[in-house]
Order: sequence, then C-alpha cells, then structure tokens
Amino acid sequence: EDKVVQSPLSLVVHEGDTVTLNCSYEVTNFRSLLWYKQEKKAPTFLFMLTSSGIEKKSGRLSSILDKKELSSILNITATQTGDSAIYLCAVGGETSGSRLTFGEGTQLTVNP
Amino acid sequence: GAVVSQHPSRVICKSGTSVKIECRSLDFQATTMFWYRQFPKQSLMLMATSNEGSKATYEQGVEKDKFLINHASLTLSTLTVTSAHPEDSSFYICSARDFGHWSNQPQHFGDGTRLSIL
Repeated sequence: EDKVVQSPLSLVVHEGDTVTLNCSYEVTNFRSLLWYKQEKKAPTFLFMLTSSGIEKKSGRLSSILDKKELSSILNITATQTGDSAIYLCAVGGETSGSRLTFGEGTQLTVNP
Repeated sequence: GAVVSQHPSRVICKSGTSVKIECRSLDFQATTMFWYRQFPKQSLMLMATSNEGSKATYEQGVEKDKFLINHASLTLSTLTVTSAHPEDSSFYICSARDFGHWSNQPQHFGDGTRLSIL
C-alpha cells in the first residue's frame, strides 16, 4: 500500500520567514510527486516532480525531489499571510495507475 | 488553462434525499475524473475513479450503490449520493486529468461541494 508522510503537521511563522515542508513516501514503482495548496476550497496545483535533483520554481515557492531518500521538500521564502494554507503532498505509482495517494498535509500559518 | 468546475458548492438537505454533484472540465477533455471525500482536518480520501464511457472503479469500503458515478462525456462526471444520511455529510471534491499519460499530467481540482444532511 502506498504511503505519504508529511512533516511538520503544523507550522506557525512570521511574515518574511522562510519555511521548508517535508514529504516522504513509500510507493511501488514511483512515477510522480505533486504538491498542492489548499485554502478554504479545493486544492490548487503547485508542482509536479518526476526527476530527482531538478528544482522546480514558481516565484517564492520551490520544490525538489530526492528519489534516493524517497522524499521531497517544498520551500517558501519571504512568507506572506496569503501563504497560510494546508500544503498537500501526493504521490502516484505505476501499479496504482492514475490514482494519487495524499499525505495528511502541513497546516502553515503566517502571522503578520 | 485546466479549469475544473464543480456544482453545487453547498447543499443542505433532509435525510433520505438524493443529491447530485456535477464535475466539469471546462477547457480540456478528461478521460479520467476522481472523486474524493474530505473530513475536517483530514486529508483527501479517494472514493472512486471515473472513466469516460465505462464503469467507475471504487475504493475499498466505498458503497457503489450509495455513491453512483456517471462519466457520460469527456467533460462531465456526476456523483449522486443516494438516500443521504447525516453521516454522509462531508466535503466532496472532484478532480480531472487532461489527456496524455497520467504521469505527465497533474490532477486539477474543482472547488468542492460541502454537503450537509439534516
């Protein structure tokens, strides 16, 4: 059974801080790892990672995959209150087809 | 691009009512759509995978007769919660994936439907 563990589960920081969110996984025949941001409604897509060591970047957010360590990190620099959300990590494996397995998420709170 | 529309956003109804939720991919064709359920403070739990023109694949423990899924076209999947009861109250979210091998295409989510059964 595929498994995704995120840490920390909850994080409170001040505006301007840099945060690193972690995601580790166990999946048969890994294909991809995805990061999503969930505010009050449904998740919005951030990154999709398939290759190890290649950083993906979008503004203040960046993410990288380490297939050797079976993990990924999501970095947010110069955090803003609008970054407050639940960040979800999900993995897809070849044997699970197109299904994704989600972690429990990290609740990030950025205080002014 | 990759917009998924889900309707309605909120439903409040009496116990015993059947509720239909629609999920549409607006600017792409989705051979596969997914239905999730999310409880407060918890992550997304996959209920079923909906494939256009064929029967849905349900996850273990999800009642097929309770949660009816129809994926009649490449842009529309519906979830009907039949004879809903208070324990069916939850946040239901659909997602859709564009054509192409699934590992190259992320799932894009609708805004979710908050279902409250009185």
